[in-house]
Amino acid sequence: GNSVTQMEGPVTLSEEAFLTINCTYTATGYPSLFWYVQYPGEGLQLLLKATKADDKGSNKGFEATYRKETTSFHLEKGSVQVSDSAVYFCALSDPNRDDKIIFGKGTRLHILP
Amino acid sequence: NAGVTQTPKFQVLKTGQSMTLQCAQDMNHNSMYWYRQDPGMGLRLIYYSASEGTTDKGEVPNGYNVSRLNKREFSLRLESAAPSQTSVYFCASSSLTARNTIYFGEGSWLTVV
Repeated sequence: GNSVTQMEGPVTLSEEAFLTINCTYTATGYPSLFWYVQYPGEGLQLLLKATKADDKGSNKGFEATYRKETTSFHLEKGSVQVSDSAVYFCALSDPNRDDKIIFGKGTRLHILP
Repeated sequence: NAGVTQTPKFQVLKTGQSMTLQCAQDMNHNSMYWYRQDPGMGLRLIYYSASEGTTDKGEVPNGYNVSRLNKREFSLRLESAAPSQTSVYFCASSSLTARNTIYFGEGSWLTVV
C-alpha cells in the first residue's frame, strides 16, 4: 500500500542555518505530494504541494521538488528563523487508490536564536 | 472563511461516558476525515468518508463510530470513553478538484479521566 517515510526528529538548528527534512514515499501511479506544518497549539496547514514529477512547490522560503526517480519530496529552506519552529508532515494522495491522504509521522523542528 | 469547524474545542470526560465530536465544512468537499494525534505518534486516521453516505475504517477505528450526516457534516462518537482515548482530534476535508489538498479544523482536546 501507499506510505510516507520522513526523517525522525527532533531536528535542532541555529537561526539562519540550512534546513533539509527528508521524505520518501511508496505509491502506485502518480500521487500528489504535500508538506503540512503544525505550529504549537494549532491544526495542520498546507505549506506547499506538487502534483506531478519534477514540479517544485514553494512557500514562505520553503521548497520541495517532486522526484519520481528517487520517490522523494525533501523539504528545504536556505535560512531558517525561530518562527519556523513547528512540526512538519509530509503527505501524499493517490487518486488511483481511493484518494485517501497518507501522512508521515511528522518531524519536530526547533530553531535556536 | 470558516473552512472546517469542529466542536467542542476542549472536553473532559469520565471513563465510560459518551460524547460526539461535531465537524462541518463549507468548501463543498467530498472527502472528510477524523484523525487523532498523540504525542510522538503523528496523525493516525480513525475514519474516512469519501462521500455522503459512505464511511471506511482507518488505522485506529476501535472505540469510535462515525456518521456522515450530509455532505457538510461528519461526526465522531465515543460510545464509552476510555483513558486511552485521551488525545487531540482533528477533523479534515479534501476534494479532488483541489488536487486533494486537505484542510484541517483547529482540533479538539479530549481528556478522559
